[in-house]
Amino acid sequence: DAGITQSPRHKVTETGTPVTLRCHQTENHRYMYWYRQDPGHGLRLIHYSYGVKDTDKGEVSDGYSVSRSKTEDFLLTLESATSSQTSVYFCAIGGGPGNTIYFGEGSWLTVV
Amino acid sequence: GENVEQHPSTLSVQEGDSAVIKCTYSDSASNYFPWYKQELGKRPQLIIDIRSNVGEKKDQRIAVTLNKTAKHFSLHITETQPEDSAVYFCAASNEGTSGTYKYIFGTGTRLKVLA
Repeated sequence: DAGITQSPRHKVTETGTPVTLRCHQTENHRYMYWYRQDPGHGLRLIHYSYGVKDTDKGEVSDGYSVSRSKTEDFLLTLESATSSQTSVYFCAIGGGPGNTIYFGEGSWLTVV
Repeated sequence: GENVEQHPSTLSVQEGDSAVIKCTYSDSASNYFPWYKQELGKRPQLIIDIRSNVGEKKDQRIAVTLNKTAKHFSLHITETQPEDSAVYFCAASNEGTSGTYKYIFGTGTRLKVLA
């Protein structure tokens, strides 16, 4: 399925702890995206990357940071997790002019 | 910034009837419009897409129409079947600064096909 892997798939963490989610691709795509999905809000863009070390903010970037040190990996970090960040996080790859994006299987994060 | 509105949020139809989901986008520079289907607990998966130079596209029982002037696009599902029950998302994309591409999604439509 589009050569994209997310880890961990499920995580429970405590408020105030740092959390890092990893997205790994084997497709050599230039573009990678992080979305969060919440009931009633659909899929909201957190951050995206358009190349190694090239990233930009999305609609809901507060409280999140990202890094992309190599083409294959796009990391999403919650510096100090809060209960409002309990969500399903999807990574997506692909994109570009007139191209679609393909989603990973998702990471379920619960902050208690 | 770019905004995509999607209606309705829920839709129930009888098996065999048609379903229509509508989306409106705000950025007139948007030029690519994919639709995704998401089953419970699964990832969103592309079902059909349309580019701004095309007014309509069809693939078997699903079709998408685009009205650039009004900045809206719609998903049409004919002869609905129980397996069409899912959440459907529309999205819009355009080229931003530095040749970047963002994909902004609507809030989703939960379609229920009643047997």
